[in-house]
Amino acid sequence: GAVVSQHPSWVICKSGTSVKIECRSLDFQATTMFWYRQFPKQSLMLMATSNEGSKATYEQGVEKDKFLINHASLTLSTLTVTSAHPEDSSFYICSAGFAGREADTQYFGPGTRLTVL
Amino acid sequence: GQNIDQPTEMTATEGAIVQINCTYQTSGFNGLFWYQQHAGEAPTFLSYNVLDGLEEKGRFSSFLSRSKGYSYLLLKELQMKDSASYLCAFMDSNYQLIWGAGTKLIIKP
Repeated sequence: GAVVSQHPSWVICKSGTSVKIECRSLDFQATTMFWYRQFPKQSLMLMATSNEGSKATYEQGVEKDKFLINHASLTLSTLTVTSAHPEDSSFYICSAGFAGREADTQYFGPGTRLTVL
Repeated sequence: GQNIDQPTEMTATEGAIVQINCTYQTSGFNGLFWYQQHAGEAPTFLSYNVLDGLEEKGRFSSFLSRSKGYSYLLLKELQMKDSASYLCAFMDSNYQLIWGAGTKLIIKP
């Protein structure tokens, strides 16, 4: 099946620093990548949708200047949390999907646990 | 190694009961999750099992057997709105989520 990886798996940083999280589709080309936040035992909250080569579409309430998303290729999307603060501590999960008939299928990454001190 | 498996698609009738199975293999285990995802929407949390047994929550129940690496999601009194993809995922010893590919559930009148 399709495999999606994330790097790093976990990261601890100081308040005010920026953190970059990578999401890669390892064995397929993903036309669309999604970024989610998850709090313990809660539903995934969609942050943004990115299509390769175009600007990301952010959900209401998500600051696009704080959460920078780059989808430079069909296998890589990055999420940069700028000037991170303790309230940004969360589990960030990406997923990758296809256009066309499988557009409703998403393959999820293992998540990145961010802790901001 | 780690792996997780669930059926790709299932069909059921409105008002009936359906059981979606999920099997997994892992050396470290920190619980199993079930999510519901409607097309174009984010997954919504349904259940979390970390101990063996059945947990009931309204029309939905989830079962876990750690020794067998097996879980199922049971949906009763099916409604048309239950048509969705159902994702199982386990959390490994590093607290990473390992996701199944999802089971697309089609409800027919």
